[in-house]
Amino acid sequence: GAVVSQHPSRVICKSGTSVKIECRSLDFQATTMFWYRQFPKQSLMLMATSNEGSKATYEQGVEKDKFLINHASLTLSTLTVTSAHPEDSSFYICSAWTGGGQPQHFGDGTRLSIL
Amino acid sequence: DAKTTQPPSMDCAEGRAANLPCNHSTISGNEYVYWYRQIHSQGPQYIIHGLKNNETNEMASLIITEDRKSSTLILPHATLRDTAVYYCIVLRTGANNLFFGTGTRLTVIP
Repeated sequence: GAVVSQHPSRVICKSGTSVKIECRSLDFQATTMFWYRQFPKQSLMLMATSNEGSKATYEQGVEKDKFLINHASLTLSTLTVTSAHPEDSSFYICSAWTGGGQPQHFGDGTRLSIL
Repeated sequence: DAKTTQPPSMDCAEGRAANLPCNHSTISGNEYVYWYRQIHSQGPQYIIHGLKNNETNEMASLIITEDRKSSTLILPHATLRDTAVYYCIVLRTGANNLFFGTGTRLTVIP
């Protein structure tokens, strides 16, 4: 149980392109979904927290107009990197949480490479 | 949430028990200890969590000292697939702000 599917697993695209990443909880409903970013040889850094039906909460230094988050249902959240540039190249990971003392469950990540 | 301290790296022989320590001397009474691991180029995987009693599941055992200031994650029979970075995270009940520090890079050696 507690499977989180993230798609696509890898994206390579040109500078200026917008890229959408999907995160789905397959066998449970998640009250909250999280988006993290991980640069090479660094640890995961939380970008934003989203609850179904409400606006995402962004961490300091993360541009909300650049990283658009939509959380339309209890099983789906999307992250759109708008007008991506090479410095946005990173490993993006989502997680889903049911609340209380339960652990977050993570997707397998999306490796984004902007040329 | 309390900070944690872990050794940066450890080696373990395949088939042996891997014991990964974590210090969390400022832990509060309502804070749980969570363990995750991240295998290269994958998302983190939840392993186990506990409050004050020792816990065991199909993946690992978690031993928490009586004063709760430290804990040990035990992988009873390490395999090559257990090579990963292991993160010890302290989090209060109902909170969701996981902070991934630098973790312990465990290398299982054939």
